[in-house]
Amino acid sequence: DGGITQSPKYLFRKEGQNVTLSCEQNLNHDAMYWYRQDPGQGLRLIYYSQIVNDFQKGDIAEGYSVSREKKESFPLTVTSAQKNPTAFYLCASSIGLFYEQYFGPGTRLTVT
Amino acid sequence: AQSVTQLDSQVPVFEEAPVELRCNYSSSVSVYLFWYVQYPNQGLQLLLKYLSGSTLVKGINGFEAEFNKSQTSFHLRKPSVHISDTAEYFCARNFNFGNEKLTFGTGTRLTIIP
Repeated sequence: DGGITQSPKYLFRKEGQNVTLSCEQNLNHDAMYWYRQDPGQGLRLIYYSQIVNDFQKGDIAEGYSVSREKKESFPLTVTSAQKNPTAFYLCASSIGLFYEQYFGPGTRLTVT
Repeated sequence: AQSVTQLDSQVPVFEEAPVELRCNYSSSVSVYLFWYVQYPNQGLQLLLKYLSGSTLVKGINGFEAEFNKSQTSFHLRKPSVHISDTAEYFCARNFNFGNEKLTFGTGTRLTIIP
């Protein structure tokens, strides 16, 4: 079955630590995205990538970093510079920028 | 200005009653429109999409939406809801040119009352 996997489902970290969230897709999609979801605020775009070895900042990129070394993988690092990292993080992919996105199950990150 | 507006943050509906979730978008050019559903602690699932053609779009789980260009709306409807429809629903807009990305509304939480 084709789809998007995110791991782990729940992640706990101490303040000041960097943490990397995994996102893998086997849909052969060129574009991949990372969103942050907070209650009452919908989805906010962190980073996106249209092609391997290329990525662009979204609306709230500060305190985050990404890489796109393989078409299937788009990991997100939440750095210690991110002031409010506790949130639900969603990864998505699409054939291209204009088309519908398919989402993974999400990772809930809690930083204390 | 908000690109995608979902005016109702919460909508309670009795089981087997009809429901309409409202979505308005801002654009003077052609758009692609989408509705997604999110069940608790899960990712988003595509319900339906409008790219072109017929303004009435049918999706999964008995939902449908109507694209109204003059009113810049894309309201989601279901004639009879079930308990399993309890979820958050997101409207989203995209363009078919340039480097624009998908823009989401803030969501509408649909609660089905038994």
